[in-house]
Amino acid sequence: QKEVEQNSGPLSVPEGAIASLNCTYSDRGSQSFFWYRQYSGKSPELIMFIYSNGDKEDGRFTAQLNKASQYVSLLIRDSQPSDSATYLCAVKGGSNYKLTFGKGTLLTVNP
Amino acid sequence: NAGVTQTPKFRILKIGQSMTLQCTQDMNHNYMYWYRQDPGMGLKLIYYSVGAGITDKGEVPNGYNVSRSTTEDFPLRLELAAPSQTSVYFCASRTLIPRDAGGPDTQYFGPGTRLTVL
Repeated sequence: QKEVEQNSGPLSVPEGAIASLNCTYSDRGSQSFFWYRQYSGKSPELIMFIYSNGDKEDGRFTAQLNKASQYVSLLIRDSQPSDSATYLCAVKGGSNYKLTFGKGTLLTVNP
Repeated sequence: NAGVTQTPKFRILKIGQSMTLQCTQDMNHNYMYWYRQDPGMGLKLIYYSVGAGITDKGEVPNGYNVSRSTTEDFPLRLELAAPSQTSVYFCASRTLIPRDAGGPDTQYFGPGTRLTVL
């Protein structure tokens, strides 16, 4: 069974700090990796995706992928209270239409 | 362009009742999905569809049924509701932008339906 593991948290960081969120996956054939943000009572929204090993930056967000270690992470620089949410890691295999989600990490940014 | 819409937003059912959760998308996406999310848990796939007339089971299909008669609509049917079906249900649809065209090959979610079975 394909699994995606995340620390459930909560992860608490002060405003302005770097928040680091981690995710591991079991399926070596996985091709696409996504980070979704979910505010309490709302639906998930895509914030980052990454396909290749290395780093991908978008504003304050950086996604990092290491396929050899089956590890993907999300860094949030200059964390803001508005970043407080649950962050879901999702993984898609190479030949199927489905995403497998982790349970999510709750991030709290303290003013 | 409304994206993915779901109705109702909230519903309370009695054990043994049935209902249909509605999902509509106006983005002409071929792929559509139903997930459930229990408190503190990730999203579990119930059913998905790759096009009109084609559906398949996900991780947790028991107690549910789906149909896909049009590209736009993907209703989820609960038969004989049970307390274990108390959850938040999300419908999603997927773009088909290929990876080599920049992707992101991702899913867009509706606002969810919060269902309680008593």
